Amino acid sequence: DAGVTQSPTHLIKTRGQQVTLRCSPKSGHDTVSWYQQALGQGPQFIFQYYEEEERQRGNFPDRFSGHQFPNYSSELNVNALLLGDSALYLCASRRQGALRYTFGSGTRLTVV
Amino acid sequence: AQKVTQAQTEISVVEKEDVTLDCVYETRDTTYYLFWYKQPPSGELVFLIRRNSFDEQNEISGRYSWNFQKSTSSFNFTITASQVVDSAVYFCALSEARGSGYSTLTFGKGTMLLVSP
Repeated sequence: DAGVTQSPTHLIKTRGQQVTLRCSPKSGHDTVSWYQQALGQGPQFIFQYYEEEERQRGNFPDRFSGHQFPNYSSELNVNALLLGDSALYLCASRRQGALRYTFGSGTRLTVV
Repeated sequence: AQKVTQAQTEISVVEKEDVTLDCVYETRDTTYYLFWYKQPPSGELVFLIRRNSFDEQNEISGRYSWNFQKSTSSFNFTITASQVVDSAVYFCALSEARGSGYSTLTFGKGTMLLVSP
């Protein structure tokens, strides 16, 4: 049973560019959350998707947007990249209403 | 607003020593959940334990145990007889209990545990 799959694993982008990160949730899970983890810090909640709608959002600017598809997979888009967007982006999935999250290994984004 | 504080940035122990990781939290919710996650170098956050705010019974699961004290808003985690494979960053996290089901996790900054042979 595959867990949460994220792609790509590593990415280097130039300041001002746009990036799309992808996440496939664990089988049976329908809710996807995204977290940003800067170096040496704990993960920070970006947003959560359920039934293809954004249900909760953390304190992140509108440059961060997302999408959930009918098969529950999700994308995280970041526009106008800043150096400060360099981080590990983690995707977590769960069944709606359940408490246990399953995390992916993340996408390491470096903005130069 | 919710907040989780892990005051210990890094802990180094020798194999077979017991080690306790501290966690203090803040929340206005009366019902909430507390978690411990482990993050090895691969990056994936691995679930270790969860505790409900209305159950202060402390338990032991294998080499892991936890001490939840609502009076001091602490949720400490102990690894008994540490092993080299325990080396990782450990995160304490807090989740509100939302009736809508759209709960999220608030993490501390993590404690890096180094277990040497």
